[in-house]
Amino acid sequence: AQSVTQLGSHVSVSEGALVLLRCNYSSSVPPYLFWYVQYPNQGLQLLLKYTSAATLVKGINGFEAEFKKSETSFHLTKPSAHMSDAAEYFCAVSDSMTGFQKLVFGTGTRLLVSP
Amino acid sequence: DAGVTQSPTHLIKTRGQQVTLRCSPISGHKSVSWYQQVLGQGPQFIFQYYEKEERGRGNFPDRFSARQFPNYSSELNVNALLLGDSALYLCASSPRVRTSDKEKLFFGSGTQLSVL
Repeated sequence: AQSVTQLGSHVSVSEGALVLLRCNYSSSVPPYLFWYVQYPNQGLQLLLKYTSAATLVKGINGFEAEFKKSETSFHLTKPSAHMSDAAEYFCAVSDSMTGFQKLVFGTGTRLLVSP
Repeated sequence: DAGVTQSPTHLIKTRGQQVTLRCSPISGHKSVSWYQQVLGQGPQFIFQYYEKEERGRGNFPDRFSARQFPNYSSELNVNALLLGDSALYLCASSPRVRTSDKEKLFFGSGTQLSVL
C-alpha cells in the first residue's frame, strides 16, 4: 500500500525566509508524487507533480520539490516566503500502475508566515 | 472555462438522515472522484467514476454511494448519517481514468457537511 508522511503539522517562518516542508513516501511501484495547497474554505490547488521526467520539479508560485529515491523523499521548498503562502500544504502519492486514479494524501502541514 | 463546481457549499443534517452532494466536472473531463476531508486530516479517497462506471472505491461503508450521469456530472449519496460523517467533501475531475504524466486532477471547493 502506498502512503506519505508529512513531518511537522505546523511550520513557522518569517517573511523572506526559506520554506521547507517535508514529505516521505512509501510505494512498491514507481510513484507519481504531488504537492497541493489549500487556502481556508477552498479546495485543493496543484502546486507541482513528479512524473519521473525530472527529479527537480518546478511548480507555481516559486515552489519546487526534489524527488530523492534513495531517501524516499519529496520535500517542498521555496527560497523566500511571502505572507500569501500561509496555507495548508498536502503531499500525495498515486500509483502509476493501478487501473484507476487514487491519490493518497498526507495529514498536511500548516505553513505560518510572520512579518 | 468553469472549473469543478460543487453544490451545495454548506449543508447541515441530523444523525440518521440522508444527504446528496453534487459535482459538475470541467468540460471535457470524463472522470470524477470523491474525497472526504475530516477536519485536521488529509483528504481520503471515496470513489472514482469514469464513463458512468465505478472504477475505484476506497475504504468506506456501503452507506456511501455515488453515480455519474451521461453529462459526466456526479452525485455522492450518504445514508444513515453519523456524527463522524461531518467533513469537507471534495470532488475532483480529470480527462482520463488513470494518472498519467500529462494530466492533472482538478479539485472543486467542496461541500462542508455538518451532522448534528
